[in-house]
Amino acid sequence: GAGVSQSPRYKVAKRGQDVALRCDPISGHVSLFWYQQALGQGPEFLTYFQNEAQLDKSGLPSDRFFAERPEGSVSTLKIQRTQQEDSAVYLCASSLSGMGETQYFGPGTRLLVL
Amino acid sequence: QKEVEQNSGPLSVPEGAIASLNCTYSDRGSQSFFWYRQYSGKSPELIMSIYSNGDKEDGRFTAQLNKASQYVSLLIRDSQPSDSATYLCAVNTLTSGTYKYIFGTGTRLKVLA
Repeated sequence: GAGVSQSPRYKVAKRGQDVALRCDPISGHVSLFWYQQALGQGPEFLTYFQNEAQLDKSGLPSDRFFAERPEGSVSTLKIQRTQQEDSAVYLCASSLSGMGETQYFGPGTRLLVL
Repeated sequence: QKEVEQNSGPLSVPEGAIASLNCTYSDRGSQSFFWYRQYSGKSPELIMSIYSNGDKEDGRFTAQLNKASQYVSLLIRDSQPSDSATYLCAVNTLTSGTYKYIFGTGTRLKVLA
């Protein structure tokens, strides 16, 4: 595709509900990243995939967060039993190889947990 | 200590002036540095990348890198109201075998017409 796409763009969830956020990276990009951005803050790293392999998940805040990229293309970030503190914008980015070069961001999913 | 630090601002400059945005980082081994612009409610978009010491110019934008001082800056010449946004500094750091972006909190720039 022309750019990174994410869906849904907005999600309102009741506390305790499970949510799934989707990211479709730029075609041919090997590396995919997930970030969480709270209001007034910079994006915070969550996890990183190279093809289908999840090479780094050190930024996931708890075991309620789970990400996958089973075929090395589309990725899903799942949050189980959502809490109010999970409310944030979730950004997905992709890069050609992941070896330190430019990352291109999707539009983000704005999650509000009530 | 935060790994990437920026003044949160707001930095207000009059239209036509030079805006100077600064960023310091703690990991001396960092290799690549990026400036992203983020409009309110939008995702970050790349402005400049810089990999070696010195200046890099692209139109009205100049990035400056000083690895010895662990300092990277962005100059915006002839600032326009449309430049009003939050500017994020990102440092690419190799940590535990993974290249990872560490972002600053961003500097909010206001260009006054």
